[in-house]
Amino acid sequence: QSVLTQPPSASGTPGQRVTISCSGSSSNIGKNYVCWYQQLPGTAPKLLIYRNNQRPSGVPDRFSGSKSGTSASLAISGLRSEDEADYYCAAWDDSLSGHWVFGGGTKLTVL
Amino acid sequence: QLQLQESGPGLVKPSETLSLTCTVSGGSISTSDYYWGWIRQPPGKGLECIGSVYYSGTTYYSPSLRSRVTMSVDTSKNQCSLKLSSVTAADTAVYYCARSSGSYGDAFDIWGQGTVVTVSS
Repeated sequence: QSVLTQPPSASGTPGQRVTISCSGSSSNIGKNYVCWYQQLPGTAPKLLIYRNNQRPSGVPDRFSGSKSGTSASLAISGLRSEDEADYYCAAWDDSLSGHWVFGGGTKLTVL
Repeated sequence: QLQLQESGPGLVKPSETLSLTCTVSGGSISTSDYYWGWIRQPPGKGLECIGSVYYSGTTYYSPSLRSRVTMSVDTSKNQCSLKLSSVTAADTAVYYCARSSGSYGDAFDIWGQGTVVTVSS
């Protein structure tokens, strides 16, 4: 069972806007930055969002992140078929000497 | 550009120690501002951070694995390593090495391709 809670699945049609939620607690999301990773089938994860809402260079601005309290969300606008992937949220957790925690992942299907 | 490559045995027997190495190329492992992490993914499941290590030797381990994990850095070889003792079938996973960068809020910005480790007799 993951420390951060994500819905197991999400879906949308091309062009739509989809959001994926991530719920944590005061020791992780409530105090620290949230990041998001995209994992295409059979590949290593790729950093999509860092510091709650910042995009690394090369990540399209269709991807955006936000955080409020102990929850965060990833929004994907103008959905494209190549966005079909697993998405993971993560945050540093200050408990027990500190460690990274991940969400269980959300499988995004583009219909 | 910086690249990470994991290496080690693909098959480990139950109760033995899993040992993996991550070789850093295209940059120095001793650069301040970076930690080096190990993340694993069991078949069909999500990501789990095992821990991370700084070139000076400072480590942060997952509480659930802390009693079995040792991470270290060999600056002369530009490598970091992971040892996980007393493995069971539950440790079967793809193991990734990744760089944690302060420029990205300590997120893991560069990942290796991963290496599959199976625990079986």
